[in-house]
Amino acid sequence: AQSVTQLDSHVSVSEGTPVLLRCNYSSSYSPSLFWYVQHPNKGLQLLLKYTSAATLVKGINGFEAEFKKSETSFHLTKPSAHMSDAAEYFCVVSDPGNTGKLIFGQGTTLQVKP
Amino acid sequence: KAGVTQTPRYLIKTRGQQVTLSCSPISGHRSVSWYQQTPGQGLQFLFEYFSETQRNKGNFPGRFSGRQFSNSRSEMNVSTLELGDSALYLCASSGSAPRTDTQYFGPGTRLTVL
Repeated sequence: AQSVTQLDSHVSVSEGTPVLLRCNYSSSYSPSLFWYVQHPNKGLQLLLKYTSAATLVKGINGFEAEFKKSETSFHLTKPSAHMSDAAEYFCVVSDPGNTGKLIFGQGTTLQVKP
Repeated sequence: KAGVTQTPRYLIKTRGQQVTLSCSPISGHRSVSWYQQTPGQGLQFLFEYFSETQRNKGNFPGRFSGRQFSNSRSEMNVSTLELGDSALYLCASSGSAPRTDTQYFGPGTRLTVL
């Protein structure tokens, strides 16, 4: 069965410092992995997607994630945080055995301090 | 291209009533998935429709149902509302290619049950 675990429920950084949001996955298949972001009272916006073409995936707004099969990890990073990055972030895996179903981690709330 | 739209955005109902939520996918997308988001349970998959057929269903009671029309628009219905049905309901659409599992989300419908 597919699952994802986000290792931190809350991360706080200062503006201009690096961001690291951690995610481990469990998958019986070669997974498709995603990061989505949700700003308050908004829907989910796709940040990036891993599909096995390249282990380092670049997304929108300066975010990137590295797929590490040996560590079953898919951590999200950004070199320099902006105030507008404050939001909730979800690590997600698709389930090829379950059409149309995404499996979400519990989310990490990113706080950015001025 | 217009994104996924959901109506209404906010809804207040009382226990025992029923409710219908609507979702219009991105033009050309044929798959629509529905999710429930609550603070306690996070994001959970409800069901997925493709070409007017339900292809997959999550672990929700039969009070939760849906359908899809020939233009790919989808509705979900919740009958006999309970207080625990208060949630943000998100729909997502994806394309029809065999391995297109990237889902694009609408802004959600916030349902409050009193």
